[in-house]
Amino acid sequence: QQKVQQSPESLTVSEGAMASLNCTFSDGTSNNFRWYRQHSAKGLEVLVSIFSDGEKEEGRFTAHLNRANLHVSLHIREPQPSDSAVYLCAVRGNAGAKLTFGGGTRLTVRP
Amino acid sequence: GPKVLQIPSHQIIDMGQMVTLNCDPVSNHLYFYWYKQILGQQMEFLVNFYNGKVMEKSKLFKDQFSVERPDGSYFTLKIQPTALEDSAVYFCASRDSAETLYFGSGTRLTVL
Repeated sequence: QQKVQQSPESLTVSEGAMASLNCTFSDGTSNNFRWYRQHSAKGLEVLVSIFSDGEKEEGRFTAHLNRANLHVSLHIREPQPSDSAVYLCAVRGNAGAKLTFGGGTRLTVRP
Repeated sequence: GPKVLQIPSHQIIDMGQMVTLNCDPVSNHLYFYWYKQILGQQMEFLVNFYNGKVMEKSKLFKDQFSVERPDGSYFTLKIQPTALEDSAVYFCASRDSAETLYFGSGTRLTVL
């Protein structure tokens, strides 16, 4: 069964400093990776999707995937206080259609 | 972006009662999902649904749970009867052709 783990559990950065979030997964045949953001009492907002090793940029959000290392990361350039939220890594394995979520990283961006 | 609507946002019921959670998915999406999130814990997959059928379900999708989407209307999650441990936020999602899931804002279910 797919296990997805995120680190750190919480992260505080200053406005404008790069924020880096990590996610590891257990199923090396996984082929579909998403980063979502969840503001309090709101739904999930998809930030970036990545399907092959390397880098994928969507605005200020960049995902890096290294399937050999079972690792996908999210980097947020010039974070702002409005980026404060819980960031969730979601991984889809090779079989089936379900996404498995990590436990989330709570990001706080200080003005 | 595409919007998934969930109604109601909060529901409180007594243990043993039936509850139906409603989801209005994105109009041209064909795959639908329910996830459960207990306060402070991970989002957990419950079930996905396509073409009128359950495609996959987790062990959290107990016999008391059922899903349907009659005639293209709301995609619903019914729990009958409810138990205390069913208290959680339930998120509905629908999936586009690029396999991106779009989530609603959730329904917070409180079972007393």
